[in-house]
Amino acid sequence: RKEVEQDPGPFNVPEGATVAFNCTYSNSASQSFFWYRQDCRKEPKLLMSVYSSGNEDGRFTAQLNRASQYISLLIRDSKLSDSATYLCVVNVRNNNDMRFGAGTRLTVKP
Amino acid sequence: DVKVTQSSRYLVKRTGEKVFLECVQDMDHENMFWYRQDPGLGLRLIYFSYDVKMKEKGDIPEGYSVSREKKERFSLILESASTNQTSMYLCASSPPGRRSYEQYFGPGTRLTVT
Repeated sequence: RKEVEQDPGPFNVPEGATVAFNCTYSNSASQSFFWYRQDCRKEPKLLMSVYSSGNEDGRFTAQLNRASQYISLLIRDSKLSDSATYLCVVNVRNNNDMRFGAGTRLTVKP
Repeated sequence: DVKVTQSSRYLVKRTGEKVFLECVQDMDHENMFWYRQDPGLGLRLIYFSYDVKMKEKGDIPEGYSVSREKKERFSLILESASTNQTSMYLCASSPPGRRSYEQYFGPGTRLTVT
C-alpha cells in the first residue's frame, strides 16, 4: 500500500464549480500535512499547510481527519487558473522526510 | 524570490554513462533534496543534505550518489546510467527550522537513458 494515496483524476469541472479532493495516508504517526500545486511541465509549489483545526486561504479550504487518516482540499468558485495537479504531502518524522502523493489532476473549463 | 536552478532541462545519455545533474540555490538554504518523479508514483526522495558535506539516503538511493561541497550546490551523480533511471529529476531546497517544510523546487531535468 502506498504511503500517500490520491485519486489521480482527472477532475474536469466548469468555471465557478466547487471541487474537493481527498488524500489518505497510511502512517498514523504522520505529523504534518500539506498541499502542493504543480502546473503542467512546471515544478511543484507549496499551496498551503493543513492544520488539525482546518484552515482556509481565500477560495481554498484544507481539512485533516486524523482518525480516518485523510486530508482534503476544497476549491470554491473554480477559476481556469486553478487547472493543475494537486499533490498531497505528508511528513512523518521531520520536515526533511516528506512523502508525496502522485497527485490529482484538475482541469477547469470555461 | 528563491531561485533553484538545474543545469539542464533535457538530457539524453547512453546506458553505462556517468551522469552529473547539478542544482544551485541562491537563498542560503541549509537543506537540499533530490527527487525523481514518475507517472503514478509521485515524487520519491533519492538523497538529501542538511549541510555542506552532509548527506542522507532517501527512499531510493541505489544507483545514485550525491555531492555537496558548497552550501549552494547539490549534485546528483548516476555512476552508470541505466534505462530504469529515465525520469524527471527535481532538486529542491528549504530553509532550516520551522519553515523547513516549504520546499522550493527547480524546474526539473528530464533524463532519458537509451
